[in-house]
Amino acid sequence: EPEVTQTPSHQVTQMGQEVILRCVPISNHLYFYWYRQILGQKVEFLVSFYNNEISEKSEIFDDQFSVERPDGSNFTLKIRSTKLEDSAMYFCASSFAVYEQYFGPGTRLTVT
Amino acid sequence: TQLLEQSPQFLSIQEGENLTVYCNSSSVFSSLQWYRQEPGEGPVLLVTVVTGGEVKKLKRLTFQFGDARKDSSLHITAAQPGDTGLYLCAGFKAAGNKLTFGGGTRVLVKP
Repeated sequence: EPEVTQTPSHQVTQMGQEVILRCVPISNHLYFYWYRQILGQKVEFLVSFYNNEISEKSEIFDDQFSVERPDGSNFTLKIRSTKLEDSAMYFCASSFAVYEQYFGPGTRLTVT
Repeated sequence: TQLLEQSPQFLSIQEGENLTVYCNSSSVFSSLQWYRQEPGEGPVLLVTVVTGGEVKKLKRLTFQFGDARKDSSLHITAAQPGDTGLYLCAGFKAAGNKLTFGGGTRVLVKP
């Protein structure tokens, strides 16, 4: 069964450093998303991406964040200058029909 | 702000008992999804309900979408220890192209 994959599974970085989180969505899906979950809190929407552009973003997704689909298979989330409060699980999701979103296993980002 | 409230937050039952988890909102959603999440892993999609009043069954799990598309419930019949986990509801609005998640219900089924 096709699945969303994410790398790395765990990333440790120092405050102020740039990180890139990578995702390979399900191959025939058209919509791509990033969510995050701070430990013990709700899953929060960050950004949605369709047809090579951002279709929706949350207040969390400020100028420090960017997304890219550099080729036909990868979808990346870049955080330019990480802060302590960026520590969280980051989930990539994809969907063929907009609402039925399938999630990857997540990347645990730890900012020290 | 679109909020989804789940209740209860935690539920502990004996194997063989039934349980119901509720997901409520003051907002209308185009569809509602139920996910299950294990510790340290991503949410796994269980079901999507789209039509008001819709009922879907997945083996011992029954999902219902409220008539007004503002609420949903998950009912598990004859729960088993394998049903232990965190159950999340998530509402979708087409205008926003995003899911809004509830806080989750942690279910513990004791053998």
